[in-house]
Amino acid sequence: AQRVTQPEKLLSVFKGAPVELKCNYSYSGSPELFWYVQYSRQRLQLLLRHISRESIKGFTADLNKGETSFHLKKPFAQEEDSAMYYCALSGGLTGGGNKLTFGTGTQLKVEL
Amino acid sequence: KAGVTQTPRYLIKTRGQQVTLSCSPISGHRSVSWYQQTPGQGLQFLFEYFSETQRNKGNFPGRFSGRQFSNSRSEMNVSTLELGDSALYLCASSFRDRVTGELFFGEGSRLTVL
Repeated sequence: AQRVTQPEKLLSVFKGAPVELKCNYSYSGSPELFWYVQYSRQRLQLLLRHISRESIKGFTADLNKGETSFHLKKPFAQEEDSAMYYCALSGGLTGGGNKLTFGTGTQLKVEL
Repeated sequence: KAGVTQTPRYLIKTRGQQVTLSCSPISGHRSVSWYQQTPGQGLQFLFEYFSETQRNKGNFPGRFSGRQFSNSRSEMNVSTLELGDSALYLCASSFRDRVTGELFFGEGSRLTVL
């Protein structure tokens, strides 16, 4: 069974402080991991995926298979980063299709 | 390029009724997925269609069904509505066959069951 755990419902940080949104997963195969973000009054959208190894809006995430984690990090939080962040997992190439298992989400609030 | 369009945006039904929700994917996208979002359960996968075929199905009762048309537009239907079906139903489309592609979400259809 696939499972994604985001332990924090709300994370509040000050502007300029580092941010780490935690995500742990459970999957027996080789997963593909994603971070999706939903800004206020906007649609849910892809932020980044582990397979691309990219940095988007200053955010990075490294897949740690040993710890089954995919934490999202940013060294300096900006006010515009305030949003709901969802970690998601798919079964990858063997899983087939566009079935994502989402975590329950973490609301990030960046305070001035 | 127009985004994913879902209709209706809001609807109110009573228990026992049925409802049909519609989703128009981004032009050229052949995969359409449906998710149910509730405060208690979060985002849960309902099903996915690709080229008119259901490719994946989540753990929902048979009251939840869907289909996809030749133009990739999709509908989902919920019969014999229950209070617990109140939720935001999100549709997402993707161009790629596999999840290495990006899912583009619609704004959702908010269903309230009284």
